[in-house]
Order: sequence, then C-alpha cells, then structure tokens
Amino acid sequence: DIQMTQSPSSLSASVGDRVTITCRASQSISRYLSWYQHIPGEAPKLLISAASSLQSGVPSRFSGGGSGTGFTLTISSLQPEDFATYYCQQGYSTPYTFGQGTKLEIK
Amino acid sequence: EEQLLESGGGLVQPGGSLRLSCAASGFTFSSYTMTWVREAPGKGLEWVSVISGSGDNTYYADSVKGRFTISRDNSKNTLYLQGNSLRAEDTAVYYCAKSLSRNNWPPDGMNVWGQGTTVTVSS
Repeated sequence: DIQMTQSPSSLSASVGDRVTITCRASQSISRYLSWYQHIPGEAPKLLISAASSLQSGVPSRFSGGGSGTGFTLTISSLQPEDFATYYCQQGYSTPYTFGQGTKLEIK
Repeated sequence: EEQLLESGGGLVQPGGSLRLSCAASGFTFSSYTMTWVREAPGKGLEWVSVISGSGDNTYYADSVKGRFTISRDNSKNTLYLQGNSLRAEDTAVYYCAKSLSRNNWPPDGMNVWGQGTTVTVSS
C-alpha cells in the first residue's frame, strides 16, 4: 500500500499569512493527488485534483504543485474561513490512501 | 444540483451488521465511480471502498476487506455499503462521495460528498 505523509500535522498561522502544507508518497504516484478541506460538521470539500488543478469555485489563493512523490498545497493569504483540516489523497493505486491530515489553527 | 444523501447509520452491537445507503440525484449516477470514506472519532479521513460506474470493479481497504461489501443499484441511483462482523474500530461517520469525472478510472478526486451517517459499534 502507498503511504501518504503530511507535514506539518498541525500549524498555527494568522489571517494574511502564506502557508504551505507538504504531502509525500511512499512511492511515485505521478500526479494522481487530490487535496481536500474538512471543516468539522461539514462534508469534505475537494480543492485540487491532479496535483494542481484548482476546482471550480475554489478561491485562487489555493494552489497545488508537485509530482512523483512530493506535493504541496499553498494558501497565499489566509482568510478566516480557511482554518480547517487539510488532507491529501493518492489516486494512483488502491487502497486510495489519505494523508493523516494537517490541522490549520488560528494563531 | 448534484447531491448525495446517506442513511442507515445507527447503534449496532459488536459482531453485528448494518447496511448504509447513499441516494444520488442531479447527475447520471451510472457514469461515475463512487467511494465510501469514513472518519472515526478523533481520527482523520480513511478511504474505505470504491466501485466503478458499472459495478464490475470493487476495491476495499485492508481494514474492512472480507467484512464490508460495496454495491450499487444504478436503476435506483443508490450506493450501498454492507458491513458485517462489525468492530468497535468501525465506529465512524461514513461518507459517500462521487468522482469528479465521468467514466474515468482511476477516479480523479471526489467532488460531491454527502453529509455523512454515523455508525456506532458498542454493546
């Protein structure tokens, strides 16, 4: 099975900050990588597919990059509604594993 | 509007069974791969199972293989997850989710999610 490791596991930041979350795969997954935002009590939301394709309706302050085994999710200027938990997920081979999550908290 | 609505959660005793349903609307259900994802209390998201649009291809997480069965009825626009021999560690909110692109394999992200149904395994 492919293991997905996110870093950091938690992050404190302020409104307006630029933050980057890293996701590493235990083997190459090409660009079969998605990013999700999960706010407690709500359904998870797809932000980015195919490593860097921003989904319709997602603000342009979100961006994704990488390929192979290393990927990033960057939020260019944090807004209050961005404080949530973020997950990467590989879609290269089953089981389509998630990372352990990165909890983004207000400083 | 594309929507998913889960049902069937509840309290079940260890060793018991439960069938979850996910009713889809607003899209051509049979054209999309569907997935079950769960979130245990205090844990992160865990991928559980996936089924192709036709239902011919199914895959499972090791943690549920042999105990859970994913299926779909395209005539009823409904996805199912049958869980047997349930354990305390199966306690979670279960979400169904739709793949981003139609007729695509492997699935390329999940862009529509239900609100989840809660399963509690306890005596």
